[in-house]
Amino acid sequence: QQQVKQSPQSLIVQKGGISIINCAYENTAFDYFPWYQQFPGKGPALLIAIRPDVSEKKEGRFTISFNKSAKQFSLHIMDSQPGDSATYFCAARNTDKLIFGTGTRLQVFP
Amino acid sequence: EADIYQTPRYLVIGTGKKITLECSQTMGHDKMYWYQQDPGMELHLIHYSYGVNSTEKGDLSSESTVSRIRTEHFPLTLESARPSHTSQYLCASSEWGGRGETQYFGPGTRLLVL
Repeated sequence: QQQVKQSPQSLIVQKGGISIINCAYENTAFDYFPWYQQFPGKGPALLIAIRPDVSEKKEGRFTISFNKSAKQFSLHIMDSQPGDSATYFCAARNTDKLIFGTGTRLQVFP
Repeated sequence: EADIYQTPRYLVIGTGKKITLECSQTMGHDKMYWYQQDPGMELHLIHYSYGVNSTEKGDLSSESTVSRIRTEHFPLTLESARPSHTSQYLCASSEWGGRGETQYFGPGTRLLVL
């Protein structure tokens, strides 16, 4: 019940396209859902986050869609750029601890 | 950019050696964390701390130990390294309240045990 399931494992998108990464959870006690971006050789960095009382949050080209009843949330990257190529992790918080998804390796080709 | 530092960045060591991975942050954060991550894979929480003299085990069983004598410092020690400890170790910190949900990560230490 502590798991966060993330898909796809890898994603290839052409420059200018839309990248979509999905996550699902079971534990209704999760109260905060961040997305982290990790470049090779670096630690993860917070990209965008949402609370379960909001259905959507947008920051620039990045949007989180949250479906509380389905216990699913997704990251949409609009106008994907080669610089977006990285590994993306969804996460869910339960009592100060983050549970991470398995990661999605995104490659954006010019 | 977050001010959290990890040393060494890379470490190759023989089986049975004792090692300490260093983590320091200059943000005054009370909460600190250690994660284990195999390349490109998910992060597993192995230790965390709410402040000085506070340490807790995470969700993933680990043979490592941690200490928190100073707010800014959260070292991780392996008493006897084994090949199964080969992985990347990430340190993170966050503050209470406000933007406390954000965990700031260091660059990681990549450990190879021969």
